[in-house]
Amino acid sequence: QKEVEQNSGPLSVPEGAIASLNCTYSDRVSQSFFWYRQYSGKSPELIMSIYSNGDKEDGRFTAQLNKASQYVSLLIRDSQPSDSATYLCAAEQGVDSSYKLIFGSGTRLLVRP
Amino acid sequence: DTGVSQDPRHKITKRGQNVTFRCDPISEHNRLYWYRQTLGQGPEFLTYFQNEAQLEKSRLLSDRFSAERPKGSFSTLEIQRTEQGDSAMYLCASSPDGTNEKLFFGSGTQLSVL
Repeated sequence: QKEVEQNSGPLSVPEGAIASLNCTYSDRVSQSFFWYRQYSGKSPELIMSIYSNGDKEDGRFTAQLNKASQYVSLLIRDSQPSDSATYLCAAEQGVDSSYKLIFGSGTRLLVRP
Repeated sequence: DTGVSQDPRHKITKRGQNVTFRCDPISEHNRLYWYRQTLGQGPEFLTYFQNEAQLEKSRLLSDRFSAERPKGSFSTLEIQRTEQGDSAMYLCASSPDGTNEKLFFGSGTQLSVL
């Protein structure tokens, strides 16, 4: 099992809908998670982080963490065509203060106008 | 521009040649990371520096790869005797203190090995 796994998609949703992106992780990563957005040919940009069980909301984005089931999700409400991108889930791995990020392969999201 | 700067943006080389990439982190960021990303995959960790000290290297980093960060400022990543499998986007990122919430990526160097 990979340390962080995502469905590659594409996930296609109509404009205005809720997009739900999921990620599962193994015991080999720590319990801190990050969602990045990456437009084609661009570098990853941090959207949200989540460290505790439950939901964390920021504008149209909600991150959810379920440690018992080892999954993390990102909900995007009122999806816009400009949200079309690849969404990368990442977990920290390391000891002491040397936490590097382990990324999933990303899920491509297409928002249809 | 106060972001992470990488040079060149694109590099095309022939198999067997050596290439070197440069990364200028955000000023006063003491952590600097190198990641590699191939098409359809997420970034893979290669190595990181705390100031000038290289503290961790991935098993992905073969003997043909070497990274330096003299004086704890800019960093270089050199690939010797390039192979077609080295074709990828090489991403540099920096943070002020190792906190991933404050990690910023550069635009990357796209390497194509012919």
